[in-house]
Amino acid sequence: NAGVTQTPKFRVLKTGQSMTLLCAQDMNHEYMYWYRQDPGMGLRLIHYSVGEGTTAKGEVPDGYNVSRLKKQNFLLGLESAAPSQTSVYFCASSPRTGGNQPQHFGDGTRLSIL
Amino acid sequence: KQEVTQIPAALSVPEGENLVLNCSFTDSAIYNLQWFRQDPGKGLTSLLLIQSSQREQTSGRLNASLDKSSGRSTLYIAASQPGDSATYLCAVRRNRDDKIIFGKGTRLHILP
Repeated sequence: NAGVTQTPKFRVLKTGQSMTLLCAQDMNHEYMYWYRQDPGMGLRLIHYSVGEGTTAKGEVPDGYNVSRLKKQNFLLGLESAAPSQTSVYFCASSPRTGGNQPQHFGDGTRLSIL
Repeated sequence: KQEVTQIPAALSVPEGENLVLNCSFTDSAIYNLQWFRQDPGKGLTSLLLIQSSQREQTSGRLNASLDKSSGRSTLYIAASQPGDSATYLCAVRRNRDDKIIFGKGTRLHILP
């Protein structure tokens, strides 16, 4: 019962470095999401995808790029990391069958930008 | 713009007590409302989902109610246990394909 798996779990970067966060789900879900969670700000949607090959912007997309080349994977990229991107990043997925299906979350990636 | 508020931000109660967590939202035109649980260092787990046409949902010791007209939802936890200690988040969806808006959560601590 893997569900939603995020890689890596922890990472420390220097300002200006780039990296990619990987999200994989084994539930054949159509929809996938990337959120960031910051103290006092709650969860905010960065980007999302409603199917393989599609992506869309959420509330806070600046500084991030995403790709959904395979249905089971959703990648979040930071091209030039900034300290403001220090956060906990969560990936989630849900079935396509209407909006009355709960999202399934991964355990998060804790990212620190120095 | 939809805003979701959860008050209080933190709550401590003795084990065995019944308790109520509150959630309010500014736009009553919602598709559904969900309650999630988040344990420290973990992701979110969906507890209950109430569709806009429903008034409440129950799962074990948990009961969630929805009053769209007043923009309020409550999560009732009966006979609280130390294992219930976690952060509880409320989230609303405006329509079928829209994004979910989360509240900032209530940190619950059940005292043994």
